Amino acid sequence: DGGITQSPKYLFRKEGQNVTLSCEQNLNHDAMYWYRQDPGQGLRLIYYSQIVNDFQKGDIAEGYSVSREKKESFPLTVTSAQKNPTAFYLCASSKWQPNTEAFFGQGTRLTVV
Amino acid sequence: SQQGEEDPQALSIQEGENATMNCSYKTSINNLQWYRQNSGRGLVHLILIRSNEREKHSGRLRVTLDTSKKSSSLLITASRAADTASYFCATDFSPQIIFGKGTRLHILP
Repeated sequence: DGGITQSPKYLFRKEGQNVTLSCEQNLNHDAMYWYRQDPGQGLRLIYYSQIVNDFQKGDIAEGYSVSREKKESFPLTVTSAQKNPTAFYLCASSKWQPNTEAFFGQGTRLTVV
Repeated sequence: SQQGEEDPQALSIQEGENATMNCSYKTSINNLQWYRQNSGRGLVHLILIRSNEREKHSGRLRVTLDTSKKSSSLLITASRAADTASYFCATDFSPQIIFGKGTRLHILP
């Protein structure tokens, strides 16, 4: 079945550590996105990528980094520079064309301990 | 910068009643989309309405779009317990998709 897979589902990080969240899709989508969701809040865009080896900052990119070495994969690293990383992280993908929907993974809940 | 703002923030209705949620946005759009999120899960796409469309239906869902008022509404008819979720509008600024804060819908038995 085609879809988008995020792993792990739950992740615990000690302060000062970097952690990487995985996002893989087999939908042959060109565009991929990372969003952050805080409790009771909407989604805020961290980074997005339209093609391999290219990505752009969203509204809240500080303290995060991404790579897009393969079309299928768009990992997100939460660095120690991110002061408040505890949140629910959602990855999405879509076709690179107008009027198309986004497909979401099931999310990774990151907690700083 | 969140483009869409949903109203109300929370809504509780009896099963079988209709639920209406509204979304206002700030600038011109290519299309407007509605998504549903069950607690602790990813978002699921419900319906997309293009900027040149005024109304669209999908099953029990009806979406309207008024570009002159920069607003959209989502109507869920004959609500069911399974409709309990958060609903988000999203505006398409290709390549970005910008989401609002959502409406939390609770269907009472």
